[in-house]
Amino acid sequence: GENVEQHPSTLSVQEGDSAVIKCTYSDSASNYFPWYKQELGKRPQLIIDIRSNVGEKKDQRIAVTLNKTAKHFSLHITETQPEDSAVYFCAALRGDDMRFGAGTRLTVKP
Amino acid sequence: DTEVTQTPKHLVMGMTNKKSLKCEQHMGHRAMYWYKQKAKKPPELMFVYSYEKLSINESVPSRFSPECPNSSLLNLHLHALQPEDSALYLCASSQDPTGGGGYTFGSGTRLTVV
Repeated sequence: GENVEQHPSTLSVQEGDSAVIKCTYSDSASNYFPWYKQELGKRPQLIIDIRSNVGEKKDQRIAVTLNKTAKHFSLHITETQPEDSAVYFCAALRGDDMRFGAGTRLTVKP
Repeated sequence: DTEVTQTPKHLVMGMTNKKSLKCEQHMGHRAMYWYKQKAKKPPELMFVYSYEKLSINESVPSRFSPECPNSSLLNLHLHALQPEDSALYLCASSQDPTGGGGYTFGSGTRLTVV
């Protein structure tokens, strides 16, 4: 099955700095890569996604890049704010089977 | 309605009890999922229902029994659970089971087995 690895496991940045989280996947048949933000005690919420036929997607301060050849994708958050502090999960979908990375705990210091 | 509703929000059950978790969505999504999430861990896939048929069962113990009565409802029947089964159980749905679309998660049921 699909194996998704995510790094780093924790990330601390100063408010206003950028944050980058990286994921790799193993199954070349995976074709959809979402990112979820989960605040403490709350449900995972989709923040951005990318399909395998696209290399980059941006939504305001958040962007995702995908390198299909290398089988890795990254989340970029610019101008970070304290409310960006949460756990972020990447995921990869093959068919109807979606697997999550282990998560990155992002802390944005004011 | 753009939500996935899960009930109950919290559940405490003994190891001999039988209980059910419920999940409901009215977005016309054709795939529904059960995930288990332990503290500080990612969600782990348990079951996938695609067009009301069980398409994935991730070697989950038989003490967990899923049911999909119709396209809007998903149940998880629990029987003879163990303390290690205590976790947050998340239901999710997606419009297209295989085309890749954002999953909408419910708020989860926090289960404690005593």
